Amino acid sequence: EVQLVQSGAEVKKPGESLKISCKGSGYSFTSYWIGWVRQMPGKGLEWMGIIYPGDSDTRYSPSFQGQVTISADKSISTAYLQWSSLKASDTAMYYCARRQTYYDILTGYSASLFDYWGQGTLVTVSS
Amino acid sequence: QSVLTQPPSVSAAPGQKVTISCSGSSSNIGNNYVSWYQQLPGTAPKLLIYENNKRPSGIPDRFSGSKSGTSATLGITGLQTGDEADYYCGTWDSSLSADVVFGGGTKLTVL
Repeated sequence: EVQLVQSGAEVKKPGESLKISCKGSGYSFTSYWIGWVRQMPGKGLEWMGIIYPGDSDTRYSPSFQGQVTISADKSISTAYLQWSSLKASDTAMYYCARRQTYYDILTGYSASLFDYWGQGTLVTVSS
Repeated sequence: QSVLTQPPSVSAAPGQKVTISCSGSSSNIGNNYVSWYQQLPGTAPKLLIYENNKRPSGIPDRFSGSKSGTSATLGITGLQTGDEADYYCGTWDSSLSADVVFGGGTKLTVL
């Protein structure tokens, strides 16, 4: 059974650093991209970035480039999302998810979707 | 402002059918596959539909998806109170430096 288990809720002060984790099991962790998705209180889903644990190839949404760092340790099947200096506006639920991506040569269509999700990590930043 | 446009809310009575629309452009929905996600209150999103109209294992056939041009639609028949949730469409966008773009989400209320 594919599972993504995230680290627990965090309460931090502005300016502090933070690293949250996402541990995969039940599949070949190095063979699938892992993505991070933000959901601010009462808002929708926002794609932050992805990492391929096999070679640590990482891509960021322009909205999050330079704001966070995504990494992975394939030896322990774990992906990370970290901040060097949190802001109150970073308060949100953060989800990791396994990404499927492929190109259909018959239709010319591409697909990028998240088929399994972690339970979410709530990050609260408040003075 | 989301790249994909969804109605903020829809509602219907138990047992009825509802549809949720997702509008985009040629750089996203028009030339790529669409997925739909269900987010029940207080839980993580779950994949509901992929490749416009396919259901992952375990998703009942009350849920269906379709696509026409630059719009996609999620249909739910035989509505149940347990279907009350937020629903999001998502797809690849070839014109943005973004891997996945999501709609703003639609809250389904089963009256």
